[in-house]
Amino acid sequence: GENVEQHPSTLSVQEGDSAVIKCTYSDSASNYFPWYKQELGKRPQLIIDIRSNVGEKKDQRIAVTLNKTAKHFSLHITETQPEDSAVYFCAASKGTGGGADGLTFGKGTHLIIQP
Amino acid sequence: DTGVSQDPRHKITKRGQNVTFRCDPISEHNRLYWYRQTLGQGPEFLTYFQNEAQLEKSRLLSDRFSAERPKGSFSTLEIQRTEQGDSAMYLCADRPASGNNEQFFGPGTRLTVL
Repeated sequence: GENVEQHPSTLSVQEGDSAVIKCTYSDSASNYFPWYKQELGKRPQLIIDIRSNVGEKKDQRIAVTLNKTAKHFSLHITETQPEDSAVYFCAASKGTGGGADGLTFGKGTHLIIQP
Repeated sequence: DTGVSQDPRHKITKRGQNVTFRCDPISEHNRLYWYRQTLGQGPEFLTYFQNEAQLEKSRLLSDRFSAERPKGSFSTLEIQRTEQGDSAMYLCADRPASGNNEQFFGPGTRLTVL
C-alpha cells in the first residue's frame, strides 16, 4: 500500500519568514495530494490540494508543488503569521472513487511561528 | 458549526465494553470515510462508503470493528470488546458526490478505554 513520509517533524521559523514542509509518497498510482492544518484539539482542515496533472498550485500565502517523477510534494507558506502555528499533514490517495479512495497521511509537522 | 457532525464528542468506557459512534455528513455528500488518529500521529484510514455500499476497508479494521451506513445518510462505527489500544480520536469525513476529491472532517469522537 501507499506510504507517505513527511519532514521535518518540527519546524520553527520567525514571523514573516517562509516555511517549507516536504513529503514523499511510494505509490506511483496516487494522483491526489491534499494538505491539512490541525490546531490543538480541533479537526483537520483542508488548506490546499493538488492533482497529479498539475505541477504547482497557489492560494494567497500558501502554495504546493508536485514532482511526479521524484514522487514528492511540498507545502510552502510565505510571510508566516502567528496564526499559522499548527500541525500540518500531507496526504495522498488514488482519488478515483470506487475503492482505493482513502487518504494515507504523513506523520505531521509541528510548525511554530516565533514572534 | 456547519458541516460533518459526530456524536458523542467524548466517550469513556471500560475495557471489554462495546461502543458505537455516529457520523452525520452533509446531506448531498454521498461519500463517507472513517479514520482513527492517535496522539502525535496523522489520521489512519479505516473504511469508506459510497452511499450505503462499504467499498474499502483497511487492515486496521479488525473483526471487532464494524461500520454501517444503512440508508446512505448517517453512519455508525461500532467497536466490540474494547481494548486500551483502541483509545484514539475517531474522525469521520465526507466528500461531495461530484467534482473534486476533497474530504472534509468532522470534529471527531475521542474514545478513552480504561
